[in-house]
Amino acid sequence: NAGVTQTPKFRVLKTGQSMTLLCAQDMNHEYMYWYRQDPGMGLRLIHYSVGEGTTAKGEVPDGYNVSRLKKQNFLLGLESAAPSQTSVYFCASSQQGRRKAFFGQGTRLTVV
Amino acid sequence: GESVGLHLPTLSVQEGDNSIINCAYSNSASDYFIWYKQESGKGPQFIIDIRSNMDKRQGQRVTVLLNKTVKHLSLQIAATQPGDSAVYFCAETDLSTQGGSEKLVFGKGTKLTVNP
Repeated sequence: NAGVTQTPKFRVLKTGQSMTLLCAQDMNHEYMYWYRQDPGMGLRLIHYSVGEGTTAKGEVPDGYNVSRLKKQNFLLGLESAAPSQTSVYFCASSQQGRRKAFFGQGTRLTVV
Repeated sequence: GESVGLHLPTLSVQEGDNSIINCAYSNSASDYFIWYKQESGKGPQFIIDIRSNMDKRQGQRVTVLLNKTVKHLSLQIAATQPGDSAVYFCAETDLSTQGGSEKLVFGKGTKLTVNP
Protein backbone atom coordinates (compact mmCIF):
# COMPACT_ATOMS: atom_id res chain seq x y z
CA ASN A 1 0.00 0.00 0.00
CA ALA A 2 2.94 2.32 -0.68
CA GLY A 3 1.42 4.56 -3.37
CA VAL A 4 4.03 7.11 -4.47
CA THR A 5 7.45 6.92 -2.83
CA GLN A 6 10.15 9.55 -3.17
CA THR A 7 13.79 9.22 -2.25
CA PRO A 8 15.60 10.91 -0.67
CA LYS A 9 13.40 12.89 1.73
CA PHE A 10 16.04 15.52 2.48
CA ARG A 11 19.20 16.61 0.72
CA VAL A 12 21.67 19.46 0.91
CA LEU A 13 23.73 20.20 -2.19
CA LYS A 14 26.49 22.62 -2.94
CA THR A 15 26.10 24.91 -5.92
CA GLY A 16 27.20 23.09 -9.06
CA GLN A 17 26.66 19.57 -7.72
CA SER A 18 24.34 17.15 -9.42
CA MET A 19 21.79 14.75 -8.05
CA THR A 20 18.86 12.55 -9.02
CA LEU A 21 15.53 12.32 -7.25
CA LEU A 22 13.74 9.02 -7.57
CA CYS A 23 9.99 8.55 -7.68
CA ALA A 24 8.36 5.14 -7.64
CA GLN A 25 4.66 4.32 -7.86
CA ASP A 26 3.00 0.95 -7.43
CA MET A 27 -0.44 1.83 -8.81
CA ASN A 28 0.35 1.07 -12.46
CA HIS A 29 -0.41 4.68 -13.36
CA GLU A 30 0.37 5.94 -16.83
CA TYR A 31 0.99 9.57 -15.94
CA MET A 32 3.73 10.83 -13.66
CA TYR A 33 4.70 14.36 -12.71
CA TRP A 34 7.35 16.35 -10.94
CA TYR A 35 6.32 19.54 -9.15
CA ARG A 36 8.16 22.03 -7.05
CA GLN A 37 6.56 23.91 -4.19
CA ASP A 38 7.85 27.26 -3.05
CA PRO A 39 6.39 29.60 -0.43
CA GLY A 40 3.86 31.93 -1.99
CA MET A 41 4.17 30.23 -5.38
CA GLY A 42 2.04 27.16 -5.00
CA LEU A 43 2.83 23.98 -6.90
CA ARG A 44 4.44 24.35 -10.31
CA LEU A 45 4.89 21.58 -12.85
CA ILE A 46 8.50 20.89 -13.86
CA HIS A 47 8.22 17.89 -16.18
CA TYR A 48 5.75 15.12 -16.75
CA SER A 49 5.36 11.80 -18.51
CA VAL A 50 2.30 10.32 -20.19
CA GLY A 51 3.73 6.82 -20.31
CA GLU A 52 6.84 4.69 -20.20
CA GLY A 53 9.59 6.12 -22.38
CA THR A 54 7.94 9.56 -22.73
CA THR A 55 8.72 12.88 -21.11
CA ALA A 56 7.56 16.43 -21.67
CA LYS A 57 8.27 19.89 -20.31
CA GLY A 58 5.99 21.54 -17.83
CA GLU A 59 5.83 25.08 -16.59
CA VAL A 60 9.34 25.44 -15.12
CA PRO A 61 11.62 22.86 -16.82
CA ASP A 62 14.90 24.81 -17.02
CA GLY A 63 17.76 23.27 -15.06
CA TYR A 64 16.06 19.86 -14.76
CA ASN A 65 15.98 16.67 -16.77
CA VAL A 66 13.82 13.60 -16.39
CA SER A 67 13.65 10.02 -17.52
CA ARG A 68 10.97 7.35 -17.46
CA LEU A 69 12.67 4.12 -18.46
CA LYS A 70 10.23 2.01 -16.48
CA LYS A 71 6.54 2.67 -16.04
CA GLN A 72 6.76 2.71 -12.27
CA ASN A 73 9.73 5.06 -11.98
CA PHE A 74 10.21 8.72 -12.84
CA LEU A 75 13.60 10.29 -12.20
CA LEU A 76 14.29 14.00 -11.84
CA GLY A 77 17.86 15.14 -12.37
CA LEU A 78 19.63 18.36 -11.52
CA GLU A 79 22.81 18.60 -13.57
CA SER A 80 24.30 21.66 -11.89
CA ALA A 81 22.37 22.73 -8.82
CA ALA A 82 21.72 26.40 -8.18
CA PRO A 83 20.39 28.12 -5.03
CA SER A 84 17.22 28.98 -6.98
CA GLN A 85 16.47 25.26 -7.02
CA THR A 86 16.09 25.16 -3.27
CA SER A 87 12.55 23.92 -2.89
CA VAL A 88 10.32 21.04 -1.91
CA TYR A 89 9.88 18.63 -4.78
CA PHE A 90 6.82 16.45 -5.18
CA CYS A 91 6.26 13.56 -7.46
CA ALA A 92 2.73 12.55 -8.41
CA SER A 93 1.04 9.95 -10.55
CA SER A 94 -2.40 9.48 -12.04
CA GLN A 95 -4.16 7.01 -14.27
CA GLN A 96 -5.77 9.76 -16.31
CA GLY A 97 -3.97 12.95 -17.14
CA ARG A 98 -4.50 15.86 -14.77
CA ARG A 99 -7.03 13.95 -12.69
CA LYS A 100 -6.87 12.64 -9.16
CA ALA A 101 -3.12 12.73 -8.93
CA PHE A 102 -1.56 10.93 -5.97
CA PHE A 103 1.42 12.71 -4.47
CA GLY A 104 4.52 11.47 -2.72
CA GLN A 105 5.75 12.79 0.62
CA GLY A 106 8.14 15.26 -0.95
CA THR A 107 11.90 15.87 -1.07
CA ARG A 108 13.23 18.95 0.67
CA LEU A 109 16.27 20.13 -1.28
CA THR A 110 18.56 22.90 -0.14
CA VAL A 111 21.28 24.23 -2.44
CA VAL A 112 23.96 26.26 -0.69
CA GLY B 1 0.00 35.83 -12.98
CA GLU B 2 -1.68 33.11 -10.94
CA SER B 3 -5.06 32.35 -12.43
CA VAL B 4 -6.34 30.46 -9.45
CA GLY B 5 -6.40 32.16 -6.10
CA LEU B 6 -8.00 32.07 -2.72
CA HIS B 7 -9.85 34.84 -0.98
CA LEU B 8 -8.45 34.09 2.48
CA PRO B 9 -4.95 32.84 3.17
CA THR B 10 -5.94 31.65 6.66
CA LEU B 11 -9.11 30.38 8.25
CA SER B 12 -9.63 29.56 11.90
CA VAL B 13 -12.71 27.64 13.08
CA GLN B 14 -13.93 25.92 16.19
CA GLU B 15 -14.13 22.15 16.29
CA GLY B 16 -17.56 21.03 15.22
CA ASP B 17 -18.26 24.10 13.11
CA ASN B 18 -18.59 24.00 9.35
CA SER B 19 -15.72 25.40 7.29
CA ILE B 20 -15.93 27.09 3.91
CA ILE B 21 -12.81 27.58 1.84
CA ASN B 22 -13.13 29.69 -1.28
CA CYS B 23 -11.31 29.72 -4.59
CA ALA B 24 -11.57 32.06 -7.56
CA TYR B 25 -10.36 31.21 -11.02
CA SER B 26 -9.91 33.39 -14.08
CA ASN B 27 -9.73 30.93 -16.99
CA SER B 28 -13.28 30.58 -18.27
CA ALA B 29 -12.16 27.56 -20.32
CA SER B 30 -11.33 25.55 -17.20
CA ASP B 31 -13.68 22.61 -16.94
CA TYR B 32 -12.22 20.49 -14.20
CA PHE B 33 -11.39 21.41 -10.64
CA ILE B 34 -9.76 19.58 -7.77
CA TRP B 35 -9.37 20.24 -4.08
CA TYR B 36 -6.29 18.99 -2.30
CA LYS B 37 -5.42 18.87 1.39
CA GLN B 38 -1.82 19.20 2.48
CA GLU B 39 -0.84 18.48 6.06
CA SER B 40 2.42 19.81 7.41
CA GLY B 41 5.38 17.90 6.04
CA LYS B 42 3.29 15.79 3.71
CA GLY B 43 2.33 15.77 0.07
CA PRO B 44 -1.02 17.02 -1.20
CA GLN B 45 -3.86 14.58 -0.77
CA PHE B 46 -6.79 14.42 -3.20
CA ILE B 47 -10.08 15.35 -1.55
CA ILE B 48 -12.69 15.82 -4.24
CA ASP B 49 -13.06 16.91 -7.83
CA ILE B 50 -15.81 18.40 -9.96
CA ARG B 51 -16.44 18.84 -13.65
CA SER B 52 -17.88 22.04 -15.03
CA ASN B 53 -21.11 20.29 -16.00
CA MET B 54 -21.91 20.03 -12.31
CA ASP B 55 -22.72 22.70 -9.73
CA LYS B 56 -22.26 20.59 -6.66
CA ARG B 57 -20.60 17.40 -5.62
CA GLN B 58 -20.59 15.75 -2.23
CA GLY B 59 -18.13 13.47 -0.56
CA GLN B 60 -17.67 12.28 2.95
CA ARG B 61 -18.14 15.44 5.08
CA VAL B 62 -17.07 17.59 2.16
CA THR B 63 -19.01 19.40 -0.52
CA VAL B 64 -17.63 21.31 -3.47
CA LEU B 65 -19.74 24.04 -5.06
CA LEU B 66 -18.97 25.47 -8.47
CA ASN B 67 -20.34 28.78 -9.74
CA LYS B 68 -19.26 29.14 -13.35
CA THR B 69 -20.98 32.49 -13.73
CA VAL B 70 -18.59 34.19 -11.32
CA LYS B 71 -15.78 31.65 -11.73
CA HIS B 72 -15.77 30.61 -8.12
CA LEU B 73 -15.65 27.35 -6.27
CA SER B 74 -15.77 26.51 -2.63
CA LEU B 75 -15.02 23.58 -0.38
CA GLN B 76 -17.33 23.03 2.55
CA ILE B 77 -16.24 20.80 5.39
CA ALA B 78 -18.95 19.72 7.78
CA ALA B 79 -18.34 19.28 11.49
CA THR B 80 -14.70 20.31 11.20
CA GLN B 81 -12.30 18.22 13.24
CA PRO B 82 -8.75 18.91 14.46
CA GLY B 83 -7.52 16.43 11.85
CA ASP B 84 -8.85 18.77 9.17
CA SER B 85 -6.19 21.33 10.04
CA ALA B 86 -4.10 21.67 6.91
CA VAL B 87 -3.52 23.82 3.86
CA TYR B 88 -6.17 23.40 1.20
CA PHE B 89 -5.44 23.98 -2.47
CA CYS B 90 -7.75 24.27 -5.38
CA ALA B 91 -6.52 23.41 -8.85
CA GLU B 92 -7.99 23.90 -12.29
CA THR B 93 -7.41 22.69 -15.80
CA ASP B 94 -9.01 22.61 -19.20
CA LEU B 95 -9.45 18.94 -20.05
CA SER B 96 -10.50 19.74 -23.59
CA THR B 97 -6.95 20.85 -24.41
CA GLN B 98 -5.50 18.16 -26.63
CA GLY B 99 -1.82 17.38 -26.91
CA GLY B 100 -0.84 20.23 -24.71
CA SER B 101 0.68 20.57 -21.31
CA GLU B 102 -0.60 18.41 -18.49
CA LYS B 103 -0.53 21.49 -16.37
CA LEU B 104 -2.82 21.89 -13.42
CA VAL B 105 -2.98 25.45 -12.15
CA PHE B 106 -2.82 25.42 -8.38
CA GLY B 107 -3.93 28.16 -6.08
CA LYS B 108 -1.58 29.31 -3.33
CA GLY B 109 -3.59 27.63 -0.60
CA THR B 110 -5.63 28.45 2.49
CA LYS B 111 -4.42 27.36 5.88
CA LEU B 112 -7.25 25.96 7.97
CA THR B 113 -6.77 25.82 11.72
CA VAL B 114 -9.30 23.97 13.84
CA ASN B 115 -9.42 25.04 17.45
CA PRO B 116 -10.51 22.45 20.02
